[in-house]
Amino acid sequence: DAGVTQSPTHLIKTRGQQVTLRCSPKSGHDTVSWYQQALGQGPQFIFQYYEEEERQRGNFPDRFSGHQFPNYSSELNVNALLLGDSALYLCASSLGLAGGPQFFGPGTRLTVL
Amino acid sequence: QKEVEQNSGPLSVPEGAIASLNCTYSDRGSQSFFWYRQYSGKSPELIMSIYSNGDKEDGRFTAQLNKASQYVSLLIRDSQPSDSATYLCAVGAVGTGTASKLTFGTGTRLQVTL
Repeated sequence: DAGVTQSPTHLIKTRGQQVTLRCSPKSGHDTVSWYQQALGQGPQFIFQYYEEEERQRGNFPDRFSGHQFPNYSSELNVNALLLGDSALYLCASSLGLAGGPQFFGPGTRLTVL
Repeated sequence: QKEVEQNSGPLSVPEGAIASLNCTYSDRGSQSFFWYRQYSGKSPELIMSIYSNGDKEDGRFTAQLNKASQYVSLLIRDSQPSDSATYLCAVGAVGTGTASKLTFGTGTRLQVTL
C-alpha cells in the first residue's frame, strides 16, 4: 500500500524565486492538505484540495497557491520567496471531506537564502 | 489564546512508566481529535484518533476525550526509549460544504529515560 509521497526532499532557493512542491496521496485517498511547519512549531494549515478545487484556506498570503490534478496528486507553489518561508512543507492525504484522519508524507525541507 | 494548547515539555519519564500528555482546545465546534508522533527531522505519524467522549485504547496507547472540558489526553503505558519524540495534538472541525482542516498544538517533547 503506497503511502503519501512528496518531492523533492530538500530544496534551496534564494529570496524572490519561485518554488513548486509536489505530492501524491496515499492509495485510495482523494483529498490533499498542505501544511507549513516552522522549527519548534506545530504544522500550520495552508489549504486543502478536493475534486480539483481549493476547499479551505488558512491564513497564508496569495503568494501561496496550489493545484490538484485528476489523479488526486497536488502541487504547492510559492512565489516571491521570503526568508520566512523557510520551513518543512508537509502534504497530508485523507478520504473525502468527513474529517477523517490525515496521513502525512515525508515533507519537503525548503531553505530560502 | 491559542486554539490548541500543549505543554512544550520536555516531559521526562522512566522506562516502563506511564506518560501522560495533555491538550486543550478552544473551538467547541471541534469534532475530530488526533495525536501524532514526530521524531526529530521526520514528518508527523498518526498514532491515535478519537471522535466521541471517553477512552479509546490501541495497544499501549489510550486517548481520552472530554468535550465539555475541551480536553484531550494521551496515555502511553510501559514507556520505551523509542517513544521519545514530540507528540502533536491536532483538532479538526467540519463545516457544511467545507473540508476539515487540522489545527495543531506546538507539541510536547517526551523523553523516556533508562
